[in-house]
Amino acid sequence: QKEVEQNSGPLSVPEGAIASLNCTYSDRGSQSFFWYRQYSGKSPELIMSIYSNGDKEDGRFTAQLNKASQYVSLLIRDSQPSDSATYLCAVADWNSGTYKYIFGTGTRLKVLA
Amino acid sequence: GAVVSQHPSWVICKSGTSVKIECRSLDFQATTMFWYRQFPKQSLMLMATSNEGSKATYEQGVEKDKFLINHASLTLSTLTVTSAHPEDSSFYICSKLVPTYNEQFFGPGTRLTVL
Repeated sequence: QKEVEQNSGPLSVPEGAIASLNCTYSDRGSQSFFWYRQYSGKSPELIMSIYSNGDKEDGRFTAQLNKASQYVSLLIRDSQPSDSATYLCAVADWNSGTYKYIFGTGTRLKVLA
Repeated sequence: GAVVSQHPSWVICKSGTSVKIECRSLDFQATTMFWYRQFPKQSLMLMATSNEGSKATYEQGVEKDKFLINHASLTLSTLTVTSAHPEDSSFYICSKLVPTYNEQFFGPGTRLTVL
């Protein structure tokens, strides 16, 4: 069974700090990785996708991928209270021609003002 | 990102009735859409993959006769919860797949409460 694992948290960081969220996955053949943010009572919104080893930056967010170690992380610089949410890691899975995401259980982030 | 709408945003119904939830792609056509369910404080659970013009692919353990999915056009997929019971009360969220980068964009969700 393919798995995506995240620490459920909560991860508490002070305002202005860097929040580091981590995710590991079990399928070494995975190629596509996604980070979503979900506020309480709302649906997930896509923050970033990453497909190649290394870093990908978008504003205050940086995704990091290491396929050899099978982990993907998300860094949030200058964390704001509005970043407080649950962050979901997702890994694309192709199985017998069907495509879907495998989601982690999410890490709850609290940014303290 | 791509725009997906859902209707209704919330619904309360009596046990034994059926409820239809619509998921619309407002910008691009959507050959593939997904239906998820999320219980409080739990992660997303994929229910089924909806493909335009063909039968939906259901995940293991999801009753296809209870959760009817229809994807009759490139912009609309519907989920009907038949003979709803209180244990079906949940947050139902659809998403659409944008093939360029295989990214999923989610609708705002429908909160179903079955009395």
